[in-house]
Amino acid sequence: GAVVSQHPSRVICKSGTSVKIECRSLDFQATTMFWYRQFPKQSLMLMATSNEGSKATYEQGVEKDKFLINHASLTLSTLTVTSAHPEDSSFYICSALLRTGSSYNSPLHFGNGTRLTVT
Amino acid sequence: GENVEQHPSTLSVQEGDSAVIKCTYSDSASNYFPWYKQELGKRPQLIIDIRSNVGEKKDQRIAVTLNKTAKHFSLHITETQPEDSAVYFCAASTTGNTGKLIFGQGTTLQVKP
Repeated sequence: GAVVSQHPSRVICKSGTSVKIECRSLDFQATTMFWYRQFPKQSLMLMATSNEGSKATYEQGVEKDKFLINHASLTLSTLTVTSAHPEDSSFYICSALLRTGSSYNSPLHFGNGTRLTVT
Repeated sequence: GENVEQHPSTLSVQEGDSAVIKCTYSDSASNYFPWYKQELGKRPQLIIDIRSNVGEKKDQRIAVTLNKTAKHFSLHITETQPEDSAVYFCAASTTGNTGKLIFGQGTTLQVKP
């Protein structure tokens, strides 16, 4: 259980275009999902918290107009990188919170990640 | 906000030896501490976690210890095997009811056969 599916796994786009990444919880409902970014040989940096039915909460330094997050259902969150530039090239990973009981302190289950290359 | 420091950044051990990775956190209200293993190009996989109401947890060759007073926690892997080679991340939950995790910098573990 607790499977998170992320698509696409790889995408190459031209500078100035937009790219949408989907994150789905396949066998559970995720009211909360998180988007992380990971540069080569570095840690996972939290970009934003995606809440079903409400606006995402962005971490300091993350441009909300550039990284659009939509969490329209209990099983789907999307991240759209708008007007992509080469510096946006990175590994983007979504994760979903599988709550155990009333606690939010539960494991995050990660998608397979999306390797974005902007040329 | 929460800040998690992880050491060492790289660790090389002989097969069969033990490996220890240490993390410290800054927010005394953090109360959930998972460890993830990530192989190259793949998703992080949860290997063990601990909550602040316990000091130690063990699962076969893997154990985690938590010292709330000192605000540090450690991952212990015994009888290491080559397949344990990967990048390991510690994390801590932030305060409040969000569930978000802040990750340490990662440790690249190499187990030499």
